[in-house]
Amino acid sequence: DAGVIQSPRHEVTEMGQEVTLRCKPISGHDYLFWYRQTMMRGLELLIYFNNNVPIDDSGMPEDRFSAKMPNASFSTLKIQPSEPRDSAVYFCASSLMAGGADTQYFGPGTRLTVL
Amino acid sequence: SQQGEEDPQALSIQEGENATMNCSYKTSINNLQWYRQNSGRGLVHLILIRSNEREKHSGRLRVTLDTSKKSSSLLITASRAADTASYFCATDYGNNRLAFGKGNQVVVIP
Repeated sequence: DAGVIQSPRHEVTEMGQEVTLRCKPISGHDYLFWYRQTMMRGLELLIYFNNNVPIDDSGMPEDRFSAKMPNASFSTLKIQPSEPRDSAVYFCASSLMAGGADTQYFGPGTRLTVL
Repeated sequence: SQQGEEDPQALSIQEGENATMNCSYKTSINNLQWYRQNSGRGLVHLILIRSNEREKHSGRLRVTLDTSKKSSSLLITASRAADTASYFCATDYGNNRLAFGKGNQVVVIP
């Protein structure tokens, strides 16, 4: 398996623009997680899905953020409109079983810069 | 906060030396995991230790868990330059998610 795939790897955009981050989890994994990593706040869980259904989105910072998982092999994280404080590295991770009890496999991340 | 907190935050050692990192947490956990992150990369799982286990080994890694003190330690023996990375502990509080600490930066000098 190729592991968790994320695209794009780098994204530079201007404030106010829409940003869409993409993730392909490992085949067969039932759980998918979106994280955000910054120097100040460390690694924060934004949202996670189980069998394509969003279970907990309490980490989503505000309504400008939305995430979808239309099928078992694809998820998106959208920011609209983007702001400079959204600049961070966004990771997608997947696991076979419940997130705390099993290994989470991380993608390479998308480095987002909002100017 | 319920997140694990690693200590010390940064460690610089000579190749061949051992590196020890600690992690504390605040409430009961189901298990605790350690991850490594190389610069510019995603996190990679190293080891999982369950709440009923006290020690676990994987290659040059040794993890201990003391639930009475709510703490864990990660020992890397005979460190190599390739061990240079950030190390994170992550705690499972039984809510299907992991709470990650801020990470420990380890630099191994060749």
